[in-house]
This record gives sequence, C-alpha cells and structure tokens, in this order.
Amino acid sequence: KAGVTQTPRYLIKTRGQQVTLSCSPISGHRSVSWYQQTPGQGLQFLFEYFSETQRNKGNFPGRFSGRQFSNSRSEMNVSTLELGDSALYLCASSPLAGVGADTQYFGPGTRLTVL
Amino acid sequence: GENVEQHPSTLSVQEGDSAVIKCTYSDSASNYFPWYKQELGKGPQLIIDIRSNVGEKKDQRIAVTLNKTAKHFSLHITETQPEDSAVYFCAASIEGGGGADGLTFGKGTHLIIQP
Repeated sequence: KAGVTQTPRYLIKTRGQQVTLSCSPISGHRSVSWYQQTPGQGLQFLFEYFSETQRNKGNFPGRFSGRQFSNSRSEMNVSTLELGDSALYLCASSPLAGVGADTQYFGPGTRLTVL
Repeated sequence: GENVEQHPSTLSVQEGDSAVIKCTYSDSASNYFPWYKQELGKGPQLIIDIRSNVGEKKDQRIAVTLNKTAKHFSLHITETQPEDSAVYFCAASIEGGGGADGLTFGKGTHLIIQP
C-alpha cells in the first residue's frame, strides 16, 4: 500500500497570507489527524477528522482549520499567517476512529516557512 | 490535559551497546503508548507500541516496558546499529476515547550511535 502523502512538501509564504496543505491517507484509512512540529514546542496535535467530521481539536487558534472529503483526503488551512506558524506540518492516518484507537501512520510532512 | 516527559534529550552510545529512553505521563486514563522514530527529513515512523493491559512487549532488538502504577514507560534498544541513529519520540493517548489532545508526545531523544 502507498503511504500517507502530503503536498506540497515545501512552502514559503509571507506574514498575513493564508495557506492550504493537503493530505492523502493510506487507502482504506478513514481517520486523519494533523500535527504541528517545531523545535521549541515539539509535536502538537491540531485536529482529527473522521468521516468528514472534526472529532477532536487541539489547543490552537481559530486561524487553523481543516476539512475532510468523502474520499478521506484532508486539507488544513492557516489564515493570516504569523512568523510563529513556521513549522513542519504532519498528517497521520489510521483505519479507525479516535486518536490512539489504532496505529497512526505519518506522512513526510509539509515544511512551511513564513517570512 | 496529558503531559509527557521524556529523558534524556540526547543519548550517545557505542555501537553494539544498549540504549534506554524513559518517559513519564500524567493522565492515569491514558492507555496507549506508541514510540516513533524520526529520521532527518522524514515523518515519524511507528516502531513499537504498548497498551495498558500489557507490561512488556518485544520486537527483535526493541522492547517497551510499562509501569502503570508509576505512570512511566521505557524503550529499550539492544545491540545498537548505526541505522538506529535518529530522534525517538514517546507518546500517550486514550485509545478509543477520542481524547481531546490526540497523541501527546514527549520532546524527543536524539540517539547517536558511535562507531
């Protein structure tokens, strides 16, 4: 099976812009979670989607949003970018609902740089 | 919410020796504890996981132990090899409970295998 794919792999934006990142889960996986990874804060949970519904959300401002499509592909959007949003954004998929209910498989991530 | 502490932040061992990484968690409701290995430029890869109804789990050179009473779990790598060099993350979550925090990660351990 193909693994989790994320596009684009690298992105450079300026403050105030918005950005959309895409994630395609492993075939058959219905749960998609997003994480932000920075050197200072480490890996932090953003949100989880299952069957096109947001099930859980981490402690991030409303500028961070996401959605899931009927084919389980997911997108996350960050509006009004700030310098502190520079990070590696990771997507993970699992076959069952509920984070931790099954093994989470991570994609390679999208490296976002905000100038 | 859950808090996971991981030690040490850097670990250097001679090739062939054993390496041990330790994590503690705060939420007694957590019952799923995965370990991930992240190599430069890649997403985290699951290497082993353990659930709270089990005290120890082994997979070839890798083992994980869990002490629910003390709320700590450890990763043991025996006969270390150069390809074991990477950053290792522990994590905790409430499996099946749709924990609001998703997977909570430790800050990571940079494992260096000296030839």
